[in-house]
Amino acid sequence: NAGVTQTPKFQVLKTGQSMTLQCAQDMNHNSMYWYRQDPGMGLRLIYYSASEGTTDKGEVPNGYNVSRLNKREFSLRLESAAPSQTSVYFCASSTASGLGYEQYFGPGTRLTVT
Amino acid sequence: QKEVEQNSGPLSVPEGAIASLNCTYSDRGSQSFFWYRQYSGKSPELIMFIYSNGDKEDGRFTAQLNKASQYVSLLIRDSQPSDSATYLCAVNTDKLIFGTGTRLQVFP
Repeated sequence: NAGVTQTPKFQVLKTGQSMTLQCAQDMNHNSMYWYRQDPGMGLRLIYYSASEGTTDKGEVPNGYNVSRLNKREFSLRLESAAPSQTSVYFCASSTASGLGYEQYFGPGTRLTVT
Repeated sequence: QKEVEQNSGPLSVPEGAIASLNCTYSDRGSQSFFWYRQYSGKSPELIMFIYSNGDKEDGRFTAQLNKASQYVSLLIRDSQPSDSATYLCAVNTDKLIFGTGTRLQVFP
């Protein structure tokens, strides 16, 4: 099992450009999450999907959109990137639906917006 | 008050010693508690979870939960240099809230 995979691993964007971060899990988990991690801020939830077909906002959703394509895949889109979105992005999944269960993380995407 | 608080460290311990990492939380309704380890430049890795008051042991790791005092701790026995990492505490309220982590350094 690959667990949770993310692409790309690194990305540099110019302000105003758009991009989609891809995430897939092969653990048959119901729930999937997108976080960003910034120095001194910890992990902050951007969006989550409790089950296939549903998505909900987290703590910091502004400037992002998500799509739960199927049970395996959950993508995060930046429509018009801003320097404030420079961060490390982690996708995670958990077996139980909802927000309060142990989550397993992908390797992360390091995004720089110039 | 932050919902989940951890001392940022670094906590420095010699090889072979016990490392004690602490976490306090604000929501008395929290039901489940998790410890993640994150090596520099890597993703968080789940190492322990605990739901009930008391101790839970897994190898060299022991998680301790005291709901009355609203703290959860992680003990690492026989610390090794390979344990050097940032340890994140996460607490389930109606969502999973992460602390900012404690950096642990184990020196030979």
